[in-house]
Amino acid sequence: GAGVSQSPRYKVAKRGQDVALRCDPISGHVSLFWYQQALGQGPEFLTYFQNEAQLDKSGLPSDRFFAERPEGSVSTLKIQRTQQEDSAVYLCASSPLAGSSYEQYFGPGTRLTVT
Amino acid sequence: AQSVAQPEDQVNVAEGNPLTVKCTYSVSGNPYLFWYVQYPNRGLQFLLKYITGDNLVKGSYGFEAEFNKSQTSFHLKKPSALVSDSALYFCAVRDTGNTGKLIFGQGTTLQVKP
Repeated sequence: GAGVSQSPRYKVAKRGQDVALRCDPISGHVSLFWYQQALGQGPEFLTYFQNEAQLDKSGLPSDRFFAERPEGSVSTLKIQRTQQEDSAVYLCASSPLAGSSYEQYFGPGTRLTVT
Repeated sequence: AQSVAQPEDQVNVAEGNPLTVKCTYSVSGNPYLFWYVQYPNRGLQFLLKYITGDNLVKGSYGFEAEFNKSQTSFHLKKPSALVSDSALYFCAVRDTGNTGKLIFGQGTTLQVKP
């Protein structure tokens, strides 16, 4: 079946621009996670959705970052007034159940470069 | 706070030789541990997990991992390395909160030479 997909795969933004990154999770998956992976680092948690509810946004680095999942399926991560330190790969992952021992299935990521 | 350490930035091994990629963790309570592999320009692919039960866990592509509670380790192993195993490997532990978010190590680059 189809895995997690993300678009765009690559995004170049000028400093100060707003960007929107899309994630299509595996159909029927309840849990959706966003992670940020800086160059040479492991992924770091940004935010978590259980269906349409955003239950944890403790990892969002600033109020310029905003995520939504209005219908409990597709999710969008929005970054306002991008800064150079926002340059990273943004990974989306989904999982069948909430708070479970299931592994997370990752998308290919969106590489954001802020110039 | 939960954490994961991968003490080696890079591991080099000859094709056909056994490989080990090290991981240690710190977590309160019983750990849920995972290994993922990342190929260039691709997302993370799940290899294996330890939730409970046997300390030796078998996963995809011939990989296995040994959970050692006393040493708080979860080393990834393979008896015979392939050149195609060359990639970036991440160990992760599930956070003990309700969300199930993963806490990742810094990653270890595995280089298998022919």
